[in-house]
Amino acid sequence: KNEVEQSPQNLTAQEGEFITINCSYSVGISALHWLQQHPGGGIVSLFMLSSGKKKHGRLIATINIQEKHSSLHITASHPRDSAVYICAVVRSQGNLIFGKGTKLSVKP
Amino acid sequence: NAGVMQNPRHLVRRRGQEARLRCSPMKGHSHVYWYRQLPEEGLKFMVYLQKENIIDESGMPKERFSAEFPKEGPSILRIQQVVRGDSAAYFCASSPHQGNTEAFFGQGTRLTVV
Repeated sequence: KNEVEQSPQNLTAQEGEFITINCSYSVGISALHWLQQHPGGGIVSLFMLSSGKKKHGRLIATINIQEKHSSLHITASHPRDSAVYICAVVRSQGNLIFGKGTKLSVKP
Repeated sequence: NAGVMQNPRHLVRRRGQEARLRCSPMKGHSHVYWYRQLPEEGLKFMVYLQKENIIDESGMPKERFSAEFPKEGPSILRIQQVVRGDSAAYFCASSPHQGNTEAFFGQGTRLTVV
């Protein structure tokens, strides 16, 4: 079993829909990242969480430390949100353990 | 304040050749992490370096792969005698100190072995 599990693996949505991506982890962490990766592109950290909830524009991220679970929500999705979203947990030395990613495609 | 710089962005090598991937961390950052993303797979940790020291290389293959982060200059990930299975995207990330939870990634180097 992977230390970081994401679901779903693939997600297709219509423009405007509300999207949720889930992440569960089984190891001790100091923080959790939600990362975005466009095809052929680099990796950008959208959020870093150690507790509670963060919001940036149409993106919301939550984490429940006790349940070892985090969610990324996208409100009013847009085709430019199409990308791979990756959950990554931070270990004590600062290195990351990654989920396999969720490939999101938003259709106009 | 430039971000994490990786070069080259794309690298093509024939089987048996050597590949050298460079990573210049953000200014003021002395900790570098290398990650590999194989086609259709998730990212995996390879090695963690601090200036002139390898802190954790538990994710790096024992043979053909080496990494360094000299006192001056970029961090180098070196792959000797490349094979087709080494084809992947290699990313580095830097941080200002150990255990720092922020993640600043480079754009990656896409290695293709032909």
